[in-house]
Amino acid sequence: SQQGEEDPQALSIQEGENATMNCSYKTSINNLQWYRQNSGRGLVHLILIRSNEREKHSGRLRVTLDTSKKSSSLLITASRAADTASYFCASLYNTDKLIFGTGTRLQVFP
Amino acid sequence: DTEVTQTPKHLVMGMTNKKSLKCEQHMGHRAMYWYKQKAKKPPELMFVYSYEKLSINESVPSRFSPECPNSSLLNLHLHALQPEDSALYLCASSQGGEAARVKGYTFGSGTRLTVV
Repeated sequence: SQQGEEDPQALSIQEGENATMNCSYKTSINNLQWYRQNSGRGLVHLILIRSNEREKHSGRLRVTLDTSKKSSSLLITASRAADTASYFCASLYNTDKLIFGTGTRLQVFP
Repeated sequence: DTEVTQTPKHLVMGMTNKKSLKCEQHMGHRAMYWYKQKAKKPPELMFVYSYEKLSINESVPSRFSPECPNSSLLNLHLHALQPEDSALYLCASSQGGEAARVKGYTFGSGTRLTVV
C-alpha cells in the first residue's frame, strides 16, 4: 500500500496555541498536499508543496518537506476554534494518483 | 464556477437495487476521481478518469461501475452492493496532466451511501 502515516492521530489544544501534524509517505512523489475535512464531508485543499521545495507558507499555515526522510509537517499557528477538523496529507504519485495519509483529528478549545 | 457538485447527498439502497451517483464540474478540469471513505478513515482512491478515459481502477469490485459521459460529468453506477459498501463517496477533479504537479484537487461534498 502507498498510504502514508500521520501522527498524532488526535490533537487537542487551546485557542491561540500552535498545532503541528506530521506525515510520512512511502515512495517518490511529485508533490505533497494537505487537506482539511469538517464533519466527514468534502475535503478542502489547504496547501501544496512540490518535491523540489523544502518549505512553504500560506497565511497561518507552514508546511515543510524532507524528501530524504520521506516526511512532511503542517504547522497551524495561532489556532482558532474554527480550525477544529480532520487534516490529511496526500501524496501525488505520477500525475494522477493522489493517496491520502491516515489523518489527524484536531480539536481546538475556545 | 469553482465547485464539484455531487448528487444525491444521501442515498439508502437495498442490496438488490441499482442506483447511480452523479458528479459534475464546470472548471474545465480534465481529470476526475472517485474516492470511498469509511468513518474515521482516510479517503481511498477507487477510479481515475483522465481526458474522459479510465486510467486507474484500484481493483474495485465490479458491482461499482464508473462512467464518464463527457469532460464535465462522472457517474458511479451501483449494483448488488453489500452493507460493508456503506460509506461516504467523494468525487474530485483536477486539471490533470502536468498541471497536477502544482495544483490541488477540488472535492465535492460527497454522497453518504447506506446499503440495507
